[in-house]
Amino acid sequence: SQQGEEDPQALSIQEGENATMNCSYKTSINNLQWYRQNSGRGLVHLILIRSNEREKHSGRLRVTLDTSKKSSSLLITASRAADTASYFCATPGGSNYKLTFGKGTLLTVNP
Amino acid sequence: DTEVTQTPKHLVMGMTNKKSLKCEQHMGHRAMYWYKQKAKKPPELMFVYSYEKLSINESVPSRFSPECPNSSLLNLHLHALQPEDSALYLCASSQDTDRGLYNEQFFGPGTRLTVL
Repeated sequence: SQQGEEDPQALSIQEGENATMNCSYKTSINNLQWYRQNSGRGLVHLILIRSNEREKHSGRLRVTLDTSKKSSSLLITASRAADTASYFCATPGGSNYKLTFGKGTLLTVNP
Repeated sequence: DTEVTQTPKHLVMGMTNKKSLKCEQHMGHRAMYWYKQKAKKPPELMFVYSYEKLSINESVPSRFSPECPNSSLLNLHLHALQPEDSALYLCASSQDTDRGLYNEQFFGPGTRLTVL
């Protein structure tokens, strides 16, 4: 079953602009992860935020988590054409080891 | 070495063929995963191995048969597949701390499978 739902489904911006993607989930979680996938390739782990954290930074990435609203956001600052990819949130679901991925946001950064 | 490798990159097979997908990692990870991903959809978990034992089978049809010969290798044996099984098959691995709960997963580049 789908745990995370990202919005928007697609986002197109100019290089240098910031991109914000949101993820909502349904059940209580221990952590939430964000992954990036370049077209037709494997996923790359970006960041993990635990349920007792509200904000986390990694380079140009900023992730927030609001457990009361069951939502998370991923902000990419000063975007580059190389940031063009699909971005998925993922939450542990059902059993250990299992990650359930949201539908993803397709980000296009135009040079 | 922080890489997960998968072979082959592309595979075309008929419905009567038997083929295998291979995955390898040398990061000392003890959890390994198979995912199936259709176009413009998120990855869907198929199987999880923990310490070379099958831990999760997400009700996958028996025409997909996983195998974990050792801690570095993961195979997916394919037999009598259907055209709707055409997809990108992704392998991943992770450490086994906290029973996988907080572990990032490292993904391979995938095998693009086409079933004719």
